[in-house]
Amino acid sequence: KAGVTQTPRYLIKTRGQQVTLSCSPISGHRSVSWYQQTPGQGLQFLFEYFSETQRNKGNFPGRFSGRQFSNSRSEMNVSTLELGDSALYLCASSPGTSGSGETQYFGPGTRLLVL
Amino acid sequence: AQSVTQLDSQVPVFEEAPVELRCNYSSSVSVYLFWYVQYPNQGLQLLLKYLSGSTLVKGINGFEAEFNKSQTSFHLRKPSVHISDTAEYFCAVSDPSNYQLIWGAGTKLIIKP
Repeated sequence: KAGVTQTPRYLIKTRGQQVTLSCSPISGHRSVSWYQQTPGQGLQFLFEYFSETQRNKGNFPGRFSGRQFSNSRSEMNVSTLELGDSALYLCASSPGTSGSGETQYFGPGTRLLVL
Repeated sequence: AQSVTQLDSQVPVFEEAPVELRCNYSSSVSVYLFWYVQYPNQGLQLLLKYLSGSTLVKGINGFEAEFNKSQTSFHLRKPSVHISDTAEYFCAVSDPSNYQLIWGAGTKLIIKP
């Protein structure tokens, strides 16, 4: 099976712009989670989608949003970018039906740099 | 709110020596525990996880971890490390009622030749 893919891998934006990141889960997986990884804050949970519905949400401002399509692909959007949004954004997928003990499979991440 | 503490930000160890990476979590209720590894410029990969049952969990690449409920710890061990184990290791905990993983700050394992 193909792994989790994320596009683009690298992105440079300027403050105030918005950005959309994409994640394609492993075939058959219906849960997609997003994480932000920074040197200062480490890994932080953004949100989790299952069957096109947001099932869990972390503690991020409303500028961070996401959605999931019927084929389980997911996008996350960050509006009005700030310098502090520079980070590695990781997407992970799992079947989504067996509870939080499921193994999450991670993509390689999208590295966002905000100038 | 749950939290995860990885006591060491870096652990240097000689090749073929044993290593222990420490992880403590805050919750006293039932949790699921995970160790993930992140190799340079790559995503995260599951090493092992504890859901229930035997407190000694064996994972990939010769790693194992022991769940200690009384000490709320889940330390990761390997009896003999190799240069290829150079990576950052993350401990995580999840509440069985949701899919949110709470992460430790990570421990960089540095293998000295």
